[in-house]
Parts: sequence; C-alpha cells; structure tokens
Amino acid sequence: DAGVTQSPTHLIKTRGQQVTLRCSPKSGHDTVSWYQQALGQGPQFIFQYYEEEERQRGNFPDRFSGHQFPNYSSELNVNALLLGDSALYLCASSSVEPVEGEQYFGPGTRLTVT
Amino acid sequence: GQNIDQPTEMTATEGAIVQINCTYQTSGFNGLFWYQQHAGEAPTFLSYNVLDGLEEKGRFSSFLSRSKGYSYLLLKELQMKDSASYLCAVRDPTSRQNTGFQKLVFGTGTRLLVSP
Repeated sequence: DAGVTQSPTHLIKTRGQQVTLRCSPKSGHDTVSWYQQALGQGPQFIFQYYEEEERQRGNFPDRFSGHQFPNYSSELNVNALLLGDSALYLCASSSVEPVEGEQYFGPGTRLTVT
Repeated sequence: GQNIDQPTEMTATEGAIVQINCTYQTSGFNGLFWYQQHAGEAPTFLSYNVLDGLEEKGRFSSFLSRSKGYSYLLLKELQMKDSASYLCAVRDPTSRQNTGFQKLVFGTGTRLLVSP
C-alpha cells in the first residue's frame, strides 16, 4: 500500500519565480492538506482540498494556490517567490470519513529560494 | 486565536523515561495528536487523544486533560533512535461546512536528544 508521495524532493528557485509541488495521497484517501514547515518550527496549515475544491485555508497570501485532480492528487503553486518561502512543504492525506481519522504525511519537498 | 506551547528542547539518557508537555488554547478542539519527526523527514503518527485520560501504546503513552488544555507524551525505556522532534497538534474543527474538513494546528515541536 503506497503511502503519501511528493515530488520533487528538493527544489531551488530564484526570488520572483513560480513553483509547483505535487502530491499523491495514500490509497483510499480523498482529502489533501498542505503545510509549510520552516526550519525549527512546526508545520503551518496552508489549505485543504476535497472533491477538487479548497475547503479550508490558513493565513497564507493568495500567492499560494492549489488544485486537486479527479484522482485525488494535488498541486501546490506558489507565485512571486520570496526568500521567506524557503521551507519544507508537507502534504498530508486523510479521509473525510471517519472524522477521527489521522492525517498521513508525505516526505515533503524542500524548497530553497535564493 | 490558536496557541500551542511545548518546550523547545529536552535531553535524556538511554533507558530513562521522559515526559513532553503540551498546553493549548484554540478556538475549537476535536482531538490532539502527537507526531514524531526525525530531521529532514515527514512527521509520523504516534498517538491520538480526544477524551480525557491516558492512551498507552507500547513504550509511548499520551495523556489529555481537556479542562486544563493540557497533554503530555510519555516515552519509556528511551532508545537512541528516539532522538527526534515531537510535535503536538490540535485538530481545529472550525470548518465552514463539514467537520471532516479539519486542519491541524501544530506547536513548534520539542527536540529530544537521547544520550548514551
């Protein structure tokens, strides 16, 4: 049973550029959440997708956008990159039911903005 | 608002017992998770508490007191491989429609160093 997968593993971009990160959820999961984890900090919630719609959003600017595909996989897009966007980006998958279900995390994408 | 507090760092010796505390103040609550995260890796699930009391799972136990906004993770018979960050996270049910659409609010994590 494949767990949550993310690509790429590492990425280096220049300030002002745009980036797309990808996530495939664990088999049987229909909900994808994205988190940003700066060095030495806990993950911060960006947004969550279910049925191809954004259902919840954290305190992140509109430069952060996403998409969910019919096969439940998801993309995170960040425009106009800033140095402060350098972080580990984690994707977590879960099921809407049961409500008590945990979120499973992928290995993350390490983004470095120079 | 959302606020979750954990100690930044703890040290312990192999074979010992360590307790990592977590206090939270959130606008909603629907369960508390503990995750383990080794450097450069994804968080992995350790435990989940939604009702008051102690949940035991092998060498790991987690306790919750909702009235006090308090939880702890207890690690027994520490091993070198337990050196990692331990993240406390509250599931916040402030969703627009369905309680299934819930986000996790994390603390900054506690870095545990186990020495021989």
